[in-house]
Amino acid sequence: SQQGEEDPQALSIQEGENATMNCSYKTSINNLQWYRQNSGRGLVHLILIRSNEREKHSGRLRVTLDTSKKSSSLLITASRAADTASYFCATSSLGGKLIFGQGTELSVKP
Amino acid sequence: DTAVSQTPKYLVTQMGNDKSIKCEQNLGHDTMYWYKQDSKKFLKIMFSYNNKELIINETVPNRFSPKSPDKAHLNLHINSLELGDSAVYFCASSQGKGGGNEQFFGPGTRLTVL
Repeated sequence: SQQGEEDPQALSIQEGENATMNCSYKTSINNLQWYRQNSGRGLVHLILIRSNEREKHSGRLRVTLDTSKKSSSLLITASRAADTASYFCATSSLGGKLIFGQGTELSVKP
Repeated sequence: DTAVSQTPKYLVTQMGNDKSIKCEQNLGHDTMYWYKQDSKKFLKIMFSYNNKELIINETVPNRFSPKSPDKAHLNLHINSLELGDSAVYFCASSQGKGGGNEQFFGPGTRLTVL
């Protein structure tokens, strides 16, 4: 069964604006990861947040994790046209496989 | 200096044929994966190998047979191809067999079954 659900499914913003994507999951996790997929390419790992962490930063990316609500958010600040891609959350249980959400398609207009 | 490579990038074939997709990683990882991404971009794991040993085998038709000759290679052979097999297939690798570490993905193989 699919673990993660992402919201919104599609997001269109202007360059310079912030983009926020949300991910909800159903069962206990060991960690949660975010990946980016450019059109016609493979997935690229962005950031990993462990279940005992609440917030993590990497450059213009900020990820939060609320295990009580079983949800995570990815914030991209000061977006650029090059950020246009699909963004996926993926959850991992201890010793288990990585299960991906359905993704958010982000379009950043110049 | 490609990390995870797959061949071919595109594969167009007729129903009923048998085809293979090859994957190689030069990252020194001990775990490799095959994923299937459908037309709605839903990505689902199919198989995982750790040090040439099968550790994840999802509910996949037995027409799909992975083979890992060594820990740097994981190939996928598909027999009697069906229309529903059309998808993009991604190979990935990571260090450690838990699946919870960062995974590195190949560029994908777009399979079209006519």
